[in-house]
Amino acid sequence: NAGVTQTPKFQVLKTGQSMTLQCAQDMNHEYMSWYRQDPGMGLRLIHYSVGAGITDQGEVPNGYNVSRSTTEDFPLRLLSAAPSQTSVYFCASSPGGERNSPLHFGNGTRLTVT
Amino acid sequence: GNSVTQMEGPVTLSEEAFLTINCTYTATGYPSLFWYVQYPGEGLQLLLKATKADDKGSNKGFEATYRKETTSFHLEKGSVQVSDSAVYFCALSDHGFQKLVFGTGTRLLVSP
Repeated sequence: NAGVTQTPKFQVLKTGQSMTLQCAQDMNHEYMSWYRQDPGMGLRLIHYSVGAGITDQGEVPNGYNVSRSTTEDFPLRLLSAAPSQTSVYFCASSPGGERNSPLHFGNGTRLTVT
Repeated sequence: GNSVTQMEGPVTLSEEAFLTINCTYTATGYPSLFWYVQYPGEGLQLLLKATKADDKGSNKGFEATYRKETTSFHLEKGSVQVSDSAVYFCALSDHGFQKLVFGTGTRLLVSP
């Protein structure tokens, strides 16, 4: 099973450029989310989705957009990259809305903005 | 707001030593508590969980007990292996839809 697949694994952007981080899951999970991981700060929730067509903001949404047109895909868009967005980004999914359901994580995208 | 505090790392141990990684939390309700592990170059994986007070989560020799009176969820293992070297994250979920709040992570280094 592929699980949660993130592409690309590495990306370097210049300030002001835009890009989309891709996330796909093949487990038919309703819930998907994006986190960023920064040294000394753990993981912080950017955006999440409880199903196709439904998205909401997490703790640090500024500078990021998301959409959920299908159950499988949950892309994260950076409209105008800034050095503060240099981070490792993780996509995660879970079967449903139960708070006890474990998250399944992708292997991450390391983004550097110069 | 909800928060999770973990001990600073790295934690450096020799193989077969006893491991404790401290985790305390602040939450307004009755959260579920989790430990996730991140091996180098990979995403996080669920290690264990506990959903109510006095529950003990266990997996792969690791254990953690949900202590409501001390708001703690310390991770323990009786005998660590080199393969346990990783970053360990404590997390809580106090709302629906898995809005996890993570601690900062603790790196464990185990030497032969």
